[in-house]
Amino acid sequence: DADVTQTPRNRITKTGKRIMLECSQTKGHDRMYWYRQDPGLGLRLIYYSFDVKDINKGEISDGYSVSRQAQAKFSLSLESAIPNQTALYFCATSGVPGQGAANQPQHFGDGTRLSIL
Amino acid sequence: KNEVEQSPQNLTAQEGEFITINCSYSVGISALHWLQQHPGGGIVSLFMLSSGKKKHGRLIATINIQEKHSSLHITASHPRDSAVYICAVDKTSGSRLTFGEGTQLTVNP
Repeated sequence: DADVTQTPRNRITKTGKRIMLECSQTKGHDRMYWYRQDPGLGLRLIYYSFDVKDINKGEISDGYSVSRQAQAKFSLSLESAIPNQTALYFCATSGVPGQGAANQPQHFGDGTRLSIL
Repeated sequence: KNEVEQSPQNLTAQEGEFITINCSYSVGISALHWLQQHPGGGIVSLFMLSSGKKKHGRLIATINIQEKHSSLHITASHPRDSAVYICAVDKTSGSRLTFGEGTQLTVNP
C-alpha cells in the first residue's frame, strides 16, 4: 500500500460544484502539503499544515480551503469549482527537521487529476 | 523571473548517453531537492542536498552553493529514465519548497 494515498485519482465535475480531495498517510509525518500542477508552471503550494492545529496558506490559496482531521488526514476543498481550477493536485508529507537533519524530503501521493467543465 | 530556473526544458537522448540537467536559483537556500515525475504522474524524491555531491546508482547530483547552481547527471541513460525531472529549493528549513518548471527527458532506445 502507498504511504501517501490520494482519493479520488480522477474527477470530472461541473462549474459551481463543491469538491473534496482527500489525502491520508501512514508515514507518521506531522507536516502535510497540498500542491497543484499546471503545464508550464510547475508545482505551486496551496496550503500546508505543520501539525493538526497549524494550517497555513500557500501562494495560491484563494478558492480553496483545507481541513486537518488528524495527523494522518489532510483534505482539500473547492467550495465552488471553476474551470481554471482544472489541474493535477498533489498531497505531500514530510517529517519535522531535527538536529543533524535541517531539512526533510517530501513524499508525494500519486495525484488527483481534476477537470472542471 | 522565477526563483528556480531549470534547463533545458526538454531533452531527447539516445540510450546510453550521459545526461545533464541544470538548475539555477536566485535565493538563499538550506537545501535543494531533485524529484522525478513518472509518465503516470507520480512524484518521487531522488536527492536532497545542501553541499557537495550525492550518488545513487546511475544518478549523480551536485550543488555549488556559491554559484547557486545544481546539476543532475544520469550515466548510461535508459528508456526507463524517461520522465520529468524537477528541481526544488528550501528557502528556509521550514520545508516549504519552491519548484522549477521541470525538464522533460525522453530517452530513445
